[in-house]
Parts: sequence; C-alpha cells; structure tokens
Amino acid sequence: NAGVTQTPKFRVLKTGQSMTLLCAQDMNHEYMYWYRQDPGMGLRLIHYSVGEGTTAKGEVPDGYNVSRLKKQNFLLGLESAAPSQTSVYFCASSYPPSLAGLNEQFFGPGTRLTVL
Amino acid sequence: AQTVTQSQPEMSVQEAETVTLSCTYDTSESNYYLFWYKQPPSRQMILVIRQEAYKQQNATENRFSVNFQKAAKSFSLKISDSQLGDTAMYFCAFMKPWGPNTGNQFYFGTGTSLTVIP
Repeated sequence: NAGVTQTPKFRVLKTGQSMTLLCAQDMNHEYMYWYRQDPGMGLRLIHYSVGEGTTAKGEVPDGYNVSRLKKQNFLLGLESAAPSQTSVYFCASSYPPSLAGLNEQFFGPGTRLTVL
Repeated sequence: AQTVTQSQPEMSVQEAETVTLSCTYDTSESNYYLFWYKQPPSRQMILVIRQEAYKQQNATENRFSVNFQKAAKSFSLKISDSQLGDTAMYFCAFMKPWGPNTGNQFYFGTGTSLTVIP
C-alpha cells in the first residue's frame, strides 16, 4: 500500500495564479483532510470530507476550495494564489470514528507551495 | 474551540538520556483522544503514541510513554534512551469527540523541536 500520496511535492506560483493539489489514499478511508503548516503555528485544518461527495470547512478555509468526487481522492484548489498562502500543505485520511481505537490520521508527505 | 499548548519550542537531550515534552489542552469534553506525532526532517508525520481519555492507564510504546493527567488537562511525552533518530519536531494533538458529519477533527499544538545530541 502506498498510503497517502500527494502531488506535486513542490510548486512555485505567482500571485493570482491557480492550481490544484491532489491527495490520494489507498486505505479505503472515509474521512480526508487538508491542513496547512506554518512556522510556529502547527497544523491548521483547511477543509475536510466525511465521505465521497461531501466537504466541509475547517479552521482556515478562506481562499481554498475542495472536491471529493471519488472516495480515494481529495483535491485542494487555490483559485487566485496569494503570498499568504505560502505554506506546507498536508493531506490526511482516517477511518470513521470508532471506539476500537482506529482514530489516528494518516498523513501524506506534504506539498511545499511558494507564492511569489 | 479546543486549544493545545506546547510551551517548549525547542529542547535538546544527550543520546541515551531521557527527555519529557509537555503538552496541555483546554476542553470541556469528557471523552476524547490525545496523540503525539513526530515530524522528522523528511516532513512525514508519524504517529508516536495515542491515549484514550477514558483510560486511566498511561499509554506506552517501547521507549515512548505518556503521563496523562486528565484533571490537569496535561499530556506529556517521555522518551527514554534517546536515539539520534528521535531528532524531530513533535506535535501534540487533541481529537474532539465524534459527531455526525464532523470527522475525526484534530487540533494540533505548535510543536516542540527536539534535538538528540551525540
């Protein structure tokens, strides 16, 4: 199993450009998440999805859109990139809530995005 | 909203020694999960250990153990016999109780950068 994969690994954009980050998981997880990681701020949730065709806003959703057309994929879009969106982006996935203890999130390797 | 505080931005420890990383959290919930994740220079987030709030026994995974004080809302990580490969950023995370359509939402601390010195 590849686990959680993200493409691309690095990207440089100019202000106003658009792009889509792709997250894929092969663990048949229902839930998927997008985070951004900034120095001194830990990971903050952008958007999440609890199943195919559903998405919801997290803590810092402004400037981002997401889609979950297939269970295994979760796309993060930036319609008009801004320098404030320079960050490392992580995708994660997990099983539905469970008392069995399988509640951790599995993370992808991250995408480093720079907006000039 | 839940908040997670890691008050030690940086720490160092001699190889083979023991180090404790602190974490406190704020919540009104009674049932939740706590986690420690490790992020080495490769950037990959790796689960180190988890603790269910309803369990009184502290979790242990080989050289890693936690001191979970529910009343004090404290969740520290102890690393014994530190190894060079333990050098990483460590994040404490709180998972709020599940509810319809909320997923397993995590709240992360700002991290502690640990350096193991040879």
